Amino acid sequence: KAGVTQTPRYLIKTRGQQVTLSCSPISGHRSVSWYQQTPGQGLQFLFEYFSETQRNKGNFPGRFSGRQFSNSRSEMNVSTLELGDSALYLCASKGLDSPGRGELFFGEGSRLTVL
Amino acid sequence: QKEVEQDPGPLSVPEGAIVSLNCTYSNSAFQYFMWYRQYSRKGPELLMYTYSSGNKEDGRFTAQVDKSSKYISLFIRDSQPSDSATYLCATYNNAGNMLTFGGGTRLMVKP
Repeated sequence: KAGVTQTPRYLIKTRGQQVTLSCSPISGHRSVSWYQQTPGQGLQFLFEYFSETQRNKGNFPGRFSGRQFSNSRSEMNVSTLELGDSALYLCASKGLDSPGRGELFFGEGSRLTVL
Repeated sequence: QKEVEQDPGPLSVPEGAIVSLNCTYSNSAFQYFMWYRQYSRKGPELLMYTYSSGNKEDGRFTAQVDKSSKYISLFIRDSQPSDSATYLCATYNNAGNMLTFGGGTRLMVKP
């Protein structure tokens, strides 16, 4: 069974640009969550999508947005990039049989560097 | 104050040692607790998942939750160099739809 796939794995952008990151969850998983990981703040929750609907959102500015498609694949977008957005962005999926709680399966992340 | 606090380490131990990793949390309503392991340049992977107070054992790993003191522990027996990683504790919010992570403890097991 394929794991969570994130693309691209590495990318470099400059301040003011925007970026779109993609996540393909484990087949059959309908819940996709996004986290930002930095050395200073650790893992911070961005948002969760379930069946194309955003169910929960963390404390990030509106420049961070996401969406989920009918095949459960998800994208997140960061507009007007700032230096502080440099981070590892992790996507995680959760199975239909573990609603609410249950194990999150993480991808390997997309490492964004903003210059 | 962060909801989940963890000593960042690094913690360096010799191979074969017993390792104790700890977290504290602030919300007494938290009931589901997890330990994730993250190798360098990889995503976190679930190690242990416990509910409420008590111990749970899985091979060389034991997770312990003390709700009275809001303290979570992970013990690793007979530690191996392959255990060298960052260990993250996490707990679900009351609605069960968001995991809050500690900052992670970096563990190094030296041969």
